Amino acid sequence: QLQLQESGPGLVKPSETLSLTCTVSGGSISSNSHYWGWIRQPPGKGLEWIGNIYYTGSTYYNPSLRSRVTISVDTSKSQFSLRLSSVTAADTAVYYCARHLPYAYSSGWYFDYWGQGTLVTVSS
Amino acid sequence: QSALTQPASVSGSPGQTITISCTGTSSDVASYNLVSWYQQNPGKAPKLIIYEGSKWPSGVSNRFSGSKSGTTASLTISGLQAEDEADYFCCSYAGYSRGVFGTGTKVTVL
Repeated sequence: QLQLQESGPGLVKPSETLSLTCTVSGGSISSNSHYWGWIRQPPGKGLEWIGNIYYTGSTYYNPSLRSRVTISVDTSKSQFSLRLSSVTAADTAVYYCARHLPYAYSSGWYFDYWGQGTLVTVSS
Repeated sequence: QSALTQPASVSGSPGQTITISCTGTSSDVASYNLVSWYQQNPGKAPKLIIYEGSKWPSGVSNRFSGSKSGTTASLTISGLQAEDEADYFCCSYAGYSRGVFGTGTKVTVL
């Protein structure tokens, strides 16, 4: 059974960079059919797509966050990572990693396996 | 790219059928039959319950069904059960390898 697990600091200071890692187990991060994504959810609010990455390093980002987001992959460790720079209190959220089926031939674009999520609070 | 619009809450009695709407634009919901729906219980990760508009992942009850008309997608829950009480989010492909989630709907079983 595929499992994803987020890890990283739970507290980040304003203006600093948020860094999280997602470890994939029970399946291959180098799948030809899947991307890997990050989604966040501010407390009591809705979900927001952050971006996706393919095992080759190809990425797609939410335009509203693109200037501050970097997603990378380390296939040797079966991990992919999120970096969000210049954080503010508005970036306080539960951050989820998930497996993503990309758009292809009029199908796809959904997340079928999710990590449990990790709360990141931005505060001094 | 604005969030898709969902009603904040929907309620129903056990055994009833309820419908949750998800309204987008001509750039997302109307242009692609690629709306997915997620169920989220308190403190838990979202769970995929419908993908590509109306398809069920393995193990998901067929009491959940998805449809679309124009810029509005819908999730219908038939035979409402207490275990269906949760938050529900829609998500649509929006072109250029981007996606957008809905605002979320809290379902209450009376």
